[in-house]
Amino acid sequence: NAGVTQTPKFRVLKTGQSMTLLCAQDMNHEYMYWYRQDPGMGLRLIHYSVGEGTTAKGEVPDGYNVSRLKKQNFLLGLESAAPSQTSVYFCASSYRGVKTEAFFGQGTRLTVV
Amino acid sequence: QQPVQSPQAVILREGEDAVINCSSSKALYSVHWYRQKHGEAPIFLMILLKGGEQKGHDKISASFNEKKQQSSLYLTASQLSYSGTYFCGTEWGSQGNLIFGKGTKLSVKP
Repeated sequence: NAGVTQTPKFRVLKTGQSMTLLCAQDMNHEYMYWYRQDPGMGLRLIHYSVGEGTTAKGEVPDGYNVSRLKKQNFLLGLESAAPSQTSVYFCASSYRGVKTEAFFGQGTRLTVV
Repeated sequence: QQPVQSPQAVILREGEDAVINCSSSKALYSVHWYRQKHGEAPIFLMILLKGGEQKGHDKISASFNEKKQQSSLYLTASQLSYSGTYFCGTEWGSQGNLIFGKGTKLSVKP
């Protein structure tokens, strides 16, 4: 049972380049989340989804887009990367939102130069 | 809208106790607690739902006071393995999301 898997684990981008981070879960969870983690800032919610085909903005959505075409996958896109988007990105999923525990992926370390 | 955690950091000797607090400016319906070790993903510790109940997990327990919009995490007889950053998480609005405080860094020394 893989749980939550993030791809890739590391990436270096040049300013202005685009990329997509993939999050896959095999637990049949309805809720999925994308967070970024910066020193001293904790985990900040970028976007989230409460079910297949739905997405919503979180605390820091600017510069990011997401899609949830399949229940098990949640994609995070950066259309034009900026150095301010250098961060560690975590994906998480849960069965019933805040009523159940969230399972986290291992993170993606993204550097934008 | 982030929940506020205190203290920001705490250093303990093995066997000492610690309390980490989490408060919100908005009504709380549930509180999550997670621990993250350096370079790893956060790991779930416990959820507290409305009702003010106290839950426990080994020597780590927590309380939730929804009237005061606060939760506290209690670590008793701390062990070296307790070191890490602790995050509380709450729902923002009522849309099913989960947001976290900035974390409390706990260091347990021999």
